[in-house]
Amino acid sequence: AQSVTQLGSHVSVSEGALVLLRCNYSSSVPPYLFWYVQYPNQGLQLLLKYTSAATLVKGINGFEAEFKKSETSFHLTKPSAHMSDAAEYFCAVSYGGSTLGRLYFGRGTQLTVWP
Amino acid sequence: DGGITQSPKYLFRKEGQNVTLSCEQNLNHDAMYWYRQDPGQGLRLIYYSQIVNDFQKGDIAEGYSVSREKKESFPLTVTSAQKNPTAFYLCASSGRLVYNEQFFGPGTRLTVL
Repeated sequence: AQSVTQLGSHVSVSEGALVLLRCNYSSSVPPYLFWYVQYPNQGLQLLLKYTSAATLVKGINGFEAEFKKSETSFHLTKPSAHMSDAAEYFCAVSYGGSTLGRLYFGRGTQLTVWP
Repeated sequence: DGGITQSPKYLFRKEGQNVTLSCEQNLNHDAMYWYRQDPGQGLRLIYYSQIVNDFQKGDIAEGYSVSREKKESFPLTVTSAQKNPTAFYLCASSGRLVYNEQFFGPGTRLTVL
């Protein structure tokens, strides 16, 4: 079964500190991977996506993620947190075949940034 | 501007009433999706449609119904059979390629009193 696991439902960092949000997937076929951000009472916005072109993917707002097949991971990082990064972050995976187009989401990680 | 609109932003209904949530997109996307979001549970897929006049059940379709008569529109009806309908509902659309990201609307918060 396809699934996505986000380790840590809540992550807190100080402003200027490294942000690391973890995402692992389980799959027997190559996946396509996405990170989304959600601000309170809003829809989701795409941060970045992995489509097999490059293992290190750069996204908006200074975020990046690295696809590691051996670890089945796609962790999201940002070198220096900003107050405006406080939001909920979702990792998602997509496959082909009969599930074409569907995204499978992790449960989300709430990021708090302290001044 | 291209995008997805959902209306209304907030919706209140009495228990036992059916209610329809609107979702419209002008991105010329073939596929559209409805998700339900509850605190701590991420996004759960209710229904999705990859083409006009066709749709499939997602993981939590019971108590919900949809139609896809136009490419631009994918309304969701929350019926009285849905036991716990109070939630945040998100609509999304995408192209039909496996690496196409989904674009999300702003959501509708439904409260059943």
